[in-house]
Amino acid sequence: ETGVTQSPTHLIKTRGQQVTLRCSSQSGHNTVSWYQQALGQGPQFIFQYYREEENGRGNFPPRFSGLQFPNYSSELNVNALELDDSALYLCASSAAINLSPLHFGNGTRLTVT
Amino acid sequence: DAKTTQPPSMDCAEGRAANLPCNHSTISGNEYVYWYRQIHSQGPQYIIHGLKNNETNEMASLIITEDRKSSTLILPHATLRDTAVYYCIVRVLTGANSKLTFGKGITLSVRP
Repeated sequence: ETGVTQSPTHLIKTRGQQVTLRCSSQSGHNTVSWYQQALGQGPQFIFQYYREEENGRGNFPPRFSGLQFPNYSSELNVNALELDDSALYLCASSAAINLSPLHFGNGTRLTVT
Repeated sequence: DAKTTQPPSMDCAEGRAANLPCNHSTISGNEYVYWYRQIHSQGPQYIIHGLKNNETNEMASLIITEDRKSSTLILPHATLRDTAVYYCIVRVLTGANSKLTFGKGITLSVRP
């Protein structure tokens, strides 16, 4: 069973730039969600995708957007990067069954300078 | 989702049981208690979840009080590799819901 994998592991961008982070879901999982984790804080929910559509969103502005592909892999796009976007970005996948626990990847560490 | 309260940190000796408390006094009848942990530089790892009955798996045991206002995660024989931040989360399950509301968690330090 392949777990959740994310790429790249680390990334440095300049304020104002755009970034795309990638995630491959665990085998058999068709729901993917993204979280932002600032240093010293717990992860914060950004949004989730099910059947290639966004069907839940946290308190993040529209410049945070995503995609889910037919093979259930996913992308997180962030436009007009700000210094406060520096964080660990986590992807999680689950089966679309209510009790299914989330399985997280090890994240992408984004630094905005 | 209901809010949870955890002490910021605790420690225990290697080989002893670690009992991690969590308060969720505003939990609703349809909310489950989930525990995750996060070892440094890794993503959160699912440990266990329950509704009102005690649960046990290969990693831990979850004890939920009868009024469901608090719970305790028990690691029966803590090892150095159990040093991590442990998050107690209550989660309402509606549809394909993968929103988890994390707090700051409790940092468990296992000492040799």
